[in-house]
Amino acid sequence: NAGVTQTPKFRILKIGQSMTLQCAQDMNHNYMYWYRQDPGMGLKLIYYSVGAGITDKGEVPNGYNVSRSTTEDFPLRLELAAPSQTSVYFCASSKALAGADTQYFGPGTRLTVL
Amino acid sequence: QKEVEQNSGPLSVPEGAIASLNCTYSDRGSQSFFWYRQYSGKSPELIMFIYSNGDKEDGRFTAQLNKASQYVSLLIRDSQPSDSATYLCAVIDAGGFKTIFGAGTRLFVKA
Repeated sequence: NAGVTQTPKFRILKIGQSMTLQCAQDMNHNYMYWYRQDPGMGLKLIYYSVGAGITDKGEVPNGYNVSRSTTEDFPLRLELAAPSQTSVYFCASSKALAGADTQYFGPGTRLTVL
Repeated sequence: QKEVEQNSGPLSVPEGAIASLNCTYSDRGSQSFFWYRQYSGKSPELIMFIYSNGDKEDGRFTAQLNKASQYVSLLIRDSQPSDSATYLCAVIDAGGFKTIFGAGTRLFVKA
């Protein structure tokens, strides 16, 4: 099992550009999450999904969009990138609710917006 | 605004000592509590989880939970240099879907 994979590992964007961060898991987990981690800070939940076709907002959803068309994939879309979106983005998945099961994290995508 | 507070550190302990990491949370409805370890430049990995008041031990790690005081702690016995990392306290909100992370405590174990 590859676990949770994320692409790309690194990306530099110009202000106003758009991009999609890819996330995939091969553990057949229903629950998937997107977090951002700013330097010296904890993780902030952006969006989460409880299954294909079902997504909901986390703490910091503004400027992002998600979709979940399959169990395996949970891409995160950035529209009109801003310097405030410079961060490390982690995707995670869990078999059960976050409160009842551990979350498995991908390796992260380091994004810089200039 | 639901919050999880941790002392950012750094906490420095000598090899073989006990490291004590603390966390407080604001949401009284929270039921699940996790400790993750994060090495520099890496993703978080689960160390322990605890649901009930009291202590839970796993090897060198002990998690302690006091829901009345809204306090969670992690003790690391016989600390090793390989334990040097940032430790993130994570609290699941009452709904069970959303995880609120603290900013983390940096631990240095001196050989």
